[in-house]
Order: sequence, then C-alpha cells, then structure tokens
Amino acid sequence: EAGVAQSPRYKIIEKRQSVAFWCNPISGHATLYWYQQILGQGPKLLIQFQNNGVVDDSQLPKDRFSAERLKGVDSTLKIQPAKLEDSAVYLCASSPRGHTIYFGEGSWLTVV
Amino acid sequence: RKEVEQDPGPFNVPEGATVAFNCTYSNSASQSFFWYRQDCRKEPKLLMSVYSSGNEDGRFTAQLNRASQYISLLIRDSKLSDSATYLCVASYNQGGKLIFGQGTELSVKP
Repeated sequence: EAGVAQSPRYKIIEKRQSVAFWCNPISGHATLYWYQQILGQGPKLLIQFQNNGVVDDSQLPKDRFSAERLKGVDSTLKIQPAKLEDSAVYLCASSPRGHTIYFGEGSWLTVV
Repeated sequence: RKEVEQDPGPFNVPEGATVAFNCTYSNSASQSFFWYRQDCRKEPKLLMSVYSSGNEDGRFTAQLNRASQYISLLIRDSKLSDSATYLCVASYNQGGKLIFGQGTELSVKP
C-alpha cells in the first residue's frame, strides 16, 4: 500500500517569499493532518481535515498560512509571506478513523 | 505549561541496558495515549498504544496512570537499533488531534 506522499521534500526560500507544500494521503483515508515540527520539538498540529471540511485549525497562523483539501483527497499548505521562524519540517498525515495516523516523510523548509 | 511534557534527554545507555521514559499530561480529559518513535530526519511512526492496564510488546512496556496523569515507556535489553527519539502523545477523543510531547532522545552505545 502506498504511503502518504509529500512534495517537495526540501525547499529553501528567502523571508517574505511564498511556498506551497502538497500532500496526497493514503487512499481511502478521510482524515488529513498538517503538522509543523521545529527542530528539537514535537510535531504541532496546524490543521485537521475530515474529508474536505476543517475540523481543527486553532493553531494555524491564519495571517500567513492557508490550507485546502479540495475534493477531500489531496491537500495543499501555503505560507505567504514566510518568516524565519517558519523554518521547520511540515508533516502531512492521514488516518482512516480512530488514532492510528500515518505520516509522510515531510517537507523540509528553510527560510533564510 | 505544555500539554504533554517529557524529559528531552538525551539518554545515553549501553547495549543491554533497561531504560525508562516518563511523560506527564495536563489535560485530564485526555482519553487515548501513544508512544511514537522518530528516527533522525524521518517521520514519526507509531510504536504502541498505552492502556490503563499496561501493555507489553516484546521488549517494550507501556504504562498509564490516569490519577497521576503519567505515562511511561520501559525498554528492556536495549539494542543499537533502539536509538531514536521517543514521542509521548495524548488525544482528547476518538479521531481528535494528537498532542505530542517534545520527545526524548535515546542513544544506545555498543
């Protein structure tokens, strides 16, 4: 079974530029998550989708971050404009139900 | 105060040692608990769920104390391949978001 796919794997941008990350969850998984993991910290939930509806986006910095999950499958996370403190790994995860969630390999962002 | 707190370590132990990780959570409404393992520059992967009755999976034993809001993970007979970061995780409800601790780094030496 194919896992959670993410792209790009690595991105370096200058502050104030924009960046977008793409995620394709495991087929059939209704729930999709975006987590931010800063070096030395645990993952922090940014947004959770159930199909194409938002379940929780309480920790998403909405002035600069946006996410969508059109048609309840793929999802895109965008940052505009980026700040230095946005340097992190952006992990997409999906789950069929319950709590067993499966993470993608992550998109590594460096803002310089 | 962080919702899930762990000792960040690092824990440096010799092969064959027994090592224990502790974790506390602040929200008494938390219902489900897990340990995830994260290798360097890799994604987190589920190691095991944690039940009130305690549960064991080979060399790994997890315990939950709801009264003290405390979770533990015991690794017996440590292997070099156990070197990783161990993340303590709490969830409020079925299908709810997972709250991760900052992780405890383990390094097993020959």
